[in-house]
Amino acid sequence: DAGITQSPRYKITETGRQVTLMCHQTWSHSYMFWYRQDLGHGLRLIYYSAAADITDKGEVPDGYVVSRSKTENFPLTLESATRSQTSVYFCASILGQGWSPLHFGNGTRLTVT
Amino acid sequence: AQKVTQAQTEISVVEKEDVTLDCVYETRDTTYYLFWYKQPPSGELVFLIRRNSFDEQNEISGRYSWNFQKSTSSFNFTITASQVVDSAVYFCALSEGRAGNNRKLIWGLGTSLAVNP
Repeated sequence: DAGITQSPRYKITETGRQVTLMCHQTWSHSYMFWYRQDLGHGLRLIYYSAAADITDKGEVPDGYVVSRSKTENFPLTLESATRSQTSVYFCASILGQGWSPLHFGNGTRLTVT
Repeated sequence: AQKVTQAQTEISVVEKEDVTLDCVYETRDTTYYLFWYKQPPSGELVFLIRRNSFDEQNEISGRYSWNFQKSTSSFNFTITASQVVDSAVYFCALSEGRAGNNRKLIWGLGTSLAVNP
């Protein structure tokens, strides 16, 4: 039972480069989420998706792009990385029934130099 | 506006002490859910408990217990006889509005618990 897998675990990139963080879940959960975690800010929602081809903005969507062509994948792209996007990124998923608990991936630590 | 406040930023205890992590929330919804998650030093986020607004019974799971009080809008978490393995950041979260297409949670900023041997 692989659950939810994020890749890479660690990434260093330069300012201005495009970088994509991958998220794959094996549960066929309807909902998927991208959060970023920063000291002093806790967890902030970037984007979420209720189903394939349905995505919506969270609190801090600027500078990020998502897609969800398949239920199991929810990649997050930083189109032109900035230092302020240095963070730990978590992908999560839930079943579509009510307020099920979130299941999180192990996170991607992204450093933008 | 909905809000979750975890007033304790950091707590340090000695092993075997009991410790309570506070969570106070604000919501206009009559139906809502509250959650606790644990983030150990390894970094993953682990679900601990979900409680809905109609169930005010306290919950106990081993050394962990949760006290939900609607009258004070609190959902506090107590660890009895703490152990070093309990060292982690603990997050409290609140469901935002009706489910619908929305499954967003309102998160507290977390309480960092250090249990010292």
